[in-house]
Amino acid sequence: GAVVSQHPSWVICKSGTSVKIECRSLDFQATTMFWYRQFPKQSLMLMATSNEGSKATYEQGVEKDKFLINHASLTLSTLTVTSAHPEDSSFYICSATTTEGYTGELFFGEGSRLTVL
Amino acid sequence: DAKTTQPTSMDCAEGRAANLPCNHSTISGNEYVYWYRQIHSQGPQYIIHGLKNNETNEMASLIITEDRKSSTLILPHATLRDTAVYYCIVSDTGRRALTFGSGTRLQVQP
Repeated sequence: GAVVSQHPSWVICKSGTSVKIECRSLDFQATTMFWYRQFPKQSLMLMATSNEGSKATYEQGVEKDKFLINHASLTLSTLTVTSAHPEDSSFYICSATTTEGYTGELFFGEGSRLTVL
Repeated sequence: DAKTTQPTSMDCAEGRAANLPCNHSTISGNEYVYWYRQIHSQGPQYIIHGLKNNETNEMASLIITEDRKSSTLILPHATLRDTAVYYCIVSDTGRRALTFGSGTRLQVQP
C-alpha cells in the first residue's frame, strides 16, 4: 500500500515552546490529509482535515490557533503545536488519501509522540 | 457515519483463526465496512474493506451478513504479531475521514 511518513517519531519539549510535526506521502499525491490525536488507552480522535492549498477544517473543540495546519503541497502537511502545555502531550497521527485511483482506504503515518514537560 | 459495536477484548491461540465480530445495525446503503488495526504505539494499518460481498486479501477475510447489519473479520492463522487493537468502521467513501470507536483488543497467546 501507499506510504505515509511522519517526522519526528517522538519529541520532548518544554512548556511554552512550539513543535512542528511533518506528514509526507512518499509515493502518491495526497489531496487530503487528516490529523488525529490519541491519548493513552483511548481511541483516535479526528482533529482536522486539510486539503492541499486551502485552509484546514477543524473539528469542534480543537483550537485552530493552537494547532496550526499547513498543507502547502500534495506530499506534505505540517501540524504545529503552538505554546505547548503538558496537556498537549499525546500521540499525533496523520493520514492521507488521494482522489487518484481511490479505493477507499486511508493511509496512516507511524505517529509522533509529543511529551511536553 | 453509522456506529459500530465491538467486543472490548478477545484472546486467540497462535496458529488458530481469529474471528472478530462487529455490529453495525444502522448502516446505510452507501456505507462501506472498513477494518483497521493498531499495534501498540504505531499508526493504524488498513486491513480490508467491503460493501456487501465477502472480501479476502493477503491479510484477512471479511464476511458481511446479507442484511449488512454485522460483519466478521477473520485472520486465518493468527500469529503473535497480530496482537493489536482492531477497529471496525463504517463510512461512505465520500466522507473520507474515518471515525474510530474503541475497537477490540486482540491478544494472541503462544
